[in-house]
Amino acid sequence: AQSVTQLDSQVPVFEEAPVELRCNYSSSVSVYLFWYVQYPNQGLQLLLKYLSGSTLVESINGFEAEFNKSQTSFHLRKPSVHISDTAEYFCAVSPMYSGGGADGLTFGKGTHLIIQP
Amino acid sequence: EADIYQTPRYLVIGTGKKITLECSQTMGHDKMYWYQQDPGMELHLIHYSYGVNSTEKGDLSSESTVSRIRTEHFPLTLESARPSHTSQYLCASSRGQGAFAEQYFGPGTRLTVT
Repeated sequence: AQSVTQLDSQVPVFEEAPVELRCNYSSSVSVYLFWYVQYPNQGLQLLLKYLSGSTLVESINGFEAEFNKSQTSFHLRKPSVHISDTAEYFCAVSPMYSGGGADGLTFGKGTHLIIQP
Repeated sequence: EADIYQTPRYLVIGTGKKITLECSQTMGHDKMYWYQQDPGMELHLIHYSYGVNSTEKGDLSSESTVSRIRTEHFPLTLESARPSHTSQYLCASSRGQGAFAEQYFGPGTRLTVT
């Protein structure tokens, strides 16, 4: 079984400042990692994912995340945030191999990113 | 571009009514999911399906039921709505597991039971 911990339920940050949203996971097997974003009154959208290869993955809107296997982390970063980045961010993991059950994603509880002007 | 649809987007209904929340996807995905989410809160998996005629209960107990008669359609039904059912319901689908576990989400249905 897997579990995901997002250490901060809320992160306030000023516009144009850098931000890091933390995600740690626990799993007895190797996993794939995902970050989703949810804007108000909408469903979740995939922001970026790590499947293999370079441990640093980037999204089209300036976010990046680095997979750290030894620390079992997948923190999300952006060097300069905008008002439009205000949203809920969810970290998720999926086992590499089928283990029964829903076999889907295990989500963290989410981090609310609040951009202050 | 993900093609997964939910209707209605918003529903206000009285206690005791029967309701069906619709979810359809045009991607041919075998796996589909229903999540319940209170505003600004975490996602709770309430139902999932591996394919046609397959339905399973998720991690959070729910009084709702689901059916999967067609690959593209995964409706959720509440036989008798109660105020405790007030929440947002998100439908999602995926190709499979592992590297294909990426889920595509619909826009959600915000249900209010008065």
